[in-house]
Amino acid sequence: QLVLTQSPSASASLGASVKLTCTLSSGHSTYAIAWHQQQPEMGPRYLMKLNSDGSHTKGDGIPDRFSGSSSGPERYLTISSLQSEDEADYYCQTWDTGINNVFGAGTKVTVL
Amino acid sequence: EVQLLESGGVLVQPGGSLRLSCAASGFTFSSYAMSWVRQAPGKGLEWVSGITGSGGSTYYADSVRGRSTISRDNSKNTLYLQMHSLRAEDTAVYYCAKYGSGGYHPDYWGQGTLVTVSS
Repeated sequence: QLVLTQSPSASASLGASVKLTCTLSSGHSTYAIAWHQQQPEMGPRYLMKLNSDGSHTKGDGIPDRFSGSSSGPERYLTISSLQSEDEADYYCQTWDTGINNVFGAGTKVTVL
Repeated sequence: EVQLLESGGVLVQPGGSLRLSCAASGFTFSSYAMSWVRQAPGKGLEWVSGITGSGGSTYYADSVRGRSTISRDNSKNTLYLQMHSLRAEDTAVYYCAKYGSGGYHPDYWGQGTLVTVSS
């Protein structure tokens, strides 16, 4: 069964960096994923598609501060130079046969 | 500019029915698969259903399969979700999302429409 696992929360100081992890379930380590951001009381926003080799394609207008990387079944989102508006929930998402999508439970990022 | 505007969210009684709509603009609607994703109050995102650009193939989450129908009218650039036998656990904000061209991941999202199932 295709499952994405995320830590519930992460925090870092203003101007620092934070690295979020999304882990693919066994047997699915080559899957690409996407990262989405949801600021408080807003709809989600697409950040990037991240491939198993670490290559990634960002959405329109996504700052360079957001980057992605991969290692085995793990997919990472790194936010550098944290700003107050980066305080949000971050979801990873992937897809299986056809259009069957799976979302991780989300990571809440707090900017200290 | 891509825009997705959902409508149709209502307060409905358990066992009732509704139809959500999503008006799309700013891209060639028929060329892209689309989806509905929902978010219950205080919870995470849950994929509900997806449809290919032609409308020829549809997909559903187990939680709504048999109670929901996704469809699209490419002449009107509009996506629909018909739901019946609604339950309290269907209460959520429903988002319309456009899939990207490099895989079945949303690359644009609407602002959502609230569905409340309650007596």
